[in-house]
Amino acid sequence: QQKVQQSPESLSVPEGGMASLNCTSSDRNFQYFWWYRQHSGEGPKALMSIFSDGDKKEGRFTAHLNKASLHVSLHIRDSQPSDSALYFCAASEQSNNRIFFGDGTQLVVKP
Amino acid sequence: DTTVKQNPRYKLARVGKPVNLICSQTMNHDTMYWYQKKPNQAPKLLLFYYDKILNREADTFEKFQSSRPNNSFCSLYIGSAGLEYSAMYLCASARGSDTEVFFGKGTRLTVV
Repeated sequence: QQKVQQSPESLSVPEGGMASLNCTSSDRNFQYFWWYRQHSGEGPKALMSIFSDGDKKEGRFTAHLNKASLHVSLHIRDSQPSDSALYFCAASEQSNNRIFFGDGTQLVVKP
Repeated sequence: DTTVKQNPRYKLARVGKPVNLICSQTMNHDTMYWYQKKPNQAPKLLLFYYDKILNREADTFEKFQSSRPNNSFCSLYIGSAGLEYSAMYLCASARGSDTEVFFGKGTRLTVV
């Protein structure tokens, strides 16, 4: 069973719009959650982390974590064409270094 | 320098032949990872080194081997490649389980 699930598989939003990505986990041992972004031809690159319940805002990006439901979301406001990429949710435990990724959400921001 | 370097970027291998992929980082990270990425699938954790200790995932235990001769270098070894090994292999490194993981650009392995 895959430990991290993401939805939707793909998402298309107009430039300037809001993009919302979702992630759920099946493992209650996960304590640390990250969002990674991968542009074509590159490796995934960390976008932001969230470790505590609630919202975390970094510029146009807001992550939300609900540990009770093991749900993480990423919201991108004022989406730009440069935000078009594959977004991964990642989760890890406190007790070891194993990090698990979701299948990814392909985001397309149309000019 | 926050880059993780992987060599080669593309690798063609024959069925039944060995494959060795190389990764390096100069960030003095204690942990180095290898992930396998197939289209439309999540990066799959194959194994990782924490310092000098190798940890292999249970479902890929017998398929992949690795070595870390020093802090900076880590290899992924496939003893006998099969068609199912065709994938992108991503190397990554980090310091601790709650810190950012830095990825290389990957090695695309094609087994024929």
